[in-house]
Amino acid sequence: EIVLTQSPGTLSLSPGERATLSCRASQSVSSSYLAWYQQKPGQAPRLLIYGASSRATGIPDRFSGSGSGTDFTLTISRLEPEDFAVYYCQQYGSSPLLTFGGGTKVEIK
Amino acid sequence: EVQLVESGGGLVQPGRSLRLSCAASGFTFDDYAMHWVRQAPGKGLEWVSGISWNSGTTGYADSVKGRFTISRDNAKNSLYLQMSSLRPEDMALYYCAKGNKLGITGSYFDCWGQGTLVTVSS
Repeated sequence: EIVLTQSPGTLSLSPGERATLSCRASQSVSSSYLAWYQQKPGQAPRLLIYGASSRATGIPDRFSGSGSGTDFTLTISRLEPEDFAVYYCQQYGSSPLLTFGGGTKVEIK
Repeated sequence: EVQLVESGGGLVQPGRSLRLSCAASGFTFDDYAMHWVRQAPGKGLEWVSGISWNSGTTGYADSVKGRFTISRDNAKNSLYLQMSSLRPEDMALYYCAKGNKLGITGSYFDCWGQGTLVTVSS
């Protein structure tokens, strides 16, 4: 089973600042099958990024994903008020187990 | 518009069974794998189970293997999760999620329902 470790656990930033979230895998994620989701309180998760760097439909271009192998990054170039939420990475290349990271909370400083 | 609506959650005693349902609409249901993902109160996301478009392939997290059974009825555009021998640690919000392709391998989740809450307590 591939274990995903997200860091930091909490990121305290101000609107307009840049956010950099890390997701590290215990072994290589095949074909960059890595996705990122955003979850706000009381809501279901929403897909942001798939294939490590492709934005899902309707996702603003301030969200970007990068990385390969075992190290992946989600960057939010300029935080908007609605971006304060919890972010999860997920690998989907290891069958049949699909695993999530523990999440990073982006909170208002 | 893609919609996933879960139902069937509730309070159940440890050791008992419960069946969750997910009604899908707004897309061609039998073109996609489907999944269940859960979230314990205040915790992160955990993939529970997935099923391919034709039910030919299923997968389970180790934590539920042998106790939970996923199934689908393409004629009814519905996904199910039969949960047995429930434990307190199974208590969570259970989300139905649509995969992006036919099979469960290489499948991320591009649409989620709002979840149904399962409480396991005596």
